[in-house]
Amino acid sequence: GDSVTQMEGPVTLSEEAFLTINCTYTATGYPSLFWYVQYPGEGLQLLLKATKADDKGSNKGFEATYRKETTSFHLEKGSVQVSDSAVYFCALPRLNTGGFKTIFGAGTRLFVKA
Amino acid sequence: DTAVSQTPKYLVTQMGNDKSIKCEQNLGHDTMYWYKQDSKKFLKIMFSYNNKELIINETVPNRFSPKSPDKAHLNLHINSLELGDSAVYFCASSQEGVLSGANVLTFGAGSRLTVL
Repeated sequence: GDSVTQMEGPVTLSEEAFLTINCTYTATGYPSLFWYVQYPGEGLQLLLKATKADDKGSNKGFEATYRKETTSFHLEKGSVQVSDSAVYFCALPRLNTGGFKTIFGAGTRLFVKA
Repeated sequence: DTAVSQTPKYLVTQMGNDKSIKCEQNLGHDTMYWYKQDSKKFLKIMFSYNNKELIINETVPNRFSPKSPDKAHLNLHINSLELGDSAVYFCASSQEGVLSGANVLTFGAGSRLTVL
């Protein structure tokens, strides 16, 4: 069945370090891929998305490229800030007979130290 | 104005009680969802409603009963609460984009349920 696998956390980095959070997926066809972010005490919010192979999604300095050949959508940021501390979820929306069902990865918690 | 609002934010109750969580969205979206997030942050869909009709029910115990009086509201009632029901419950909404293949969810802030 469809699934999303992302690297386990927590990831702890110093400010201005480079961030990579790996995400791979299993799905038929050509799904869209999303990254959501959850700040402490809040709901998830969309960070970025890509709707077809080789698309690069970007927002707030974060980037992810949809690689169909490796079924991956890794999240990167060149220089993290303390305010980036949050839980990051890779997500795969799938269209069922009844409607869309988004499958989330397990989440990766990021801590950024000043 | 909050786009997706849920109440209450915190709920502490005893095993065996019945409780409800309410959700409202002012985005004009057609589809609303309930997700459950466990203590390890794992997020799983429970229900989905499109224009007041149930379209996804993910093998949730029938102690959980969603109700959608109109497309802007989706409530969750839980009977005979158990310890394992302790979690954060998130309401979300979306405007289906079937042709684009994309489906962006807008989440509420969550309702933390603690069953003692």
